[in-house]
Amino acid sequence: DTEVTQTPKHLVMGMTNKKSLKCEQHMGHRAMYWYKQKAKKPPELMFVYSYEKLSINESVPSRFSPECPNSSLLNLHLHALQPEDSALYLCASSQGGTGPYEQYFGPGTRLTVT
Amino acid sequence: AQRVTQPEKLLSVFKGAPVELKCNYSYSGSPELFWYVQYSRQRLQLLLRHISRESIKGFTADLNKGETSFHLKKPFAQEEDSAMYYCALSYHSGGSNYKLTFGKGTLLTVNP
Repeated sequence: DTEVTQTPKHLVMGMTNKKSLKCEQHMGHRAMYWYKQKAKKPPELMFVYSYEKLSINESVPSRFSPECPNSSLLNLHLHALQPEDSALYLCASSQGGTGPYEQYFGPGTRLTVT
Repeated sequence: AQRVTQPEKLLSVFKGAPVELKCNYSYSGSPELFWYVQYSRQRLQLLLRHISRESIKGFTADLNKGETSFHLKKPFAQEEDSAMYYCALSYHSGGSNYKLTFGKGTLLTVNP
């Protein structure tokens, strides 16, 4: 399996809801990433996990809570989001920790906050 | 500070014409540069990495450290090359951490 998968593809949630995004890879990569991408803009880094430990948090609001249960799985827990959080959320992975390796991206979850 | 600049937001060429998408970077260390492409309704995918020096889908890119550039070129554009292209720089951000920073992207349209 040489792909990063993400579920769900689309998510609509109210500002009081709690939901989770899921990302999975089976390429043996040891670094996993969450990015946020607004329309016609480049991806913006949110979090990096290296060997299942959080190594970078780009000052993301606490209403976004990442979790890495194992080396293949990455979750993003969402709570009390704002409409401006509506975006495409991308997961990526790379080999060997957080070296300057190419990153492989999932298709994204399109999130709409109402 | 590290920065990637793609000066053209939009680029439009005709099928069969040469195409060059410009990318300049600013980084005090040894750069690791990439080109990513995002076709309509598809995932962001790696097109080129400068150290591999491969030609993917007819595209090439040469790192010019003197001009701090990593321009993407193709001699004969095809309609299926229409997409958003991002130049990206991987840089050391402290400890064992590296980050990937993207340019703002160039939307390439190849007209028939």
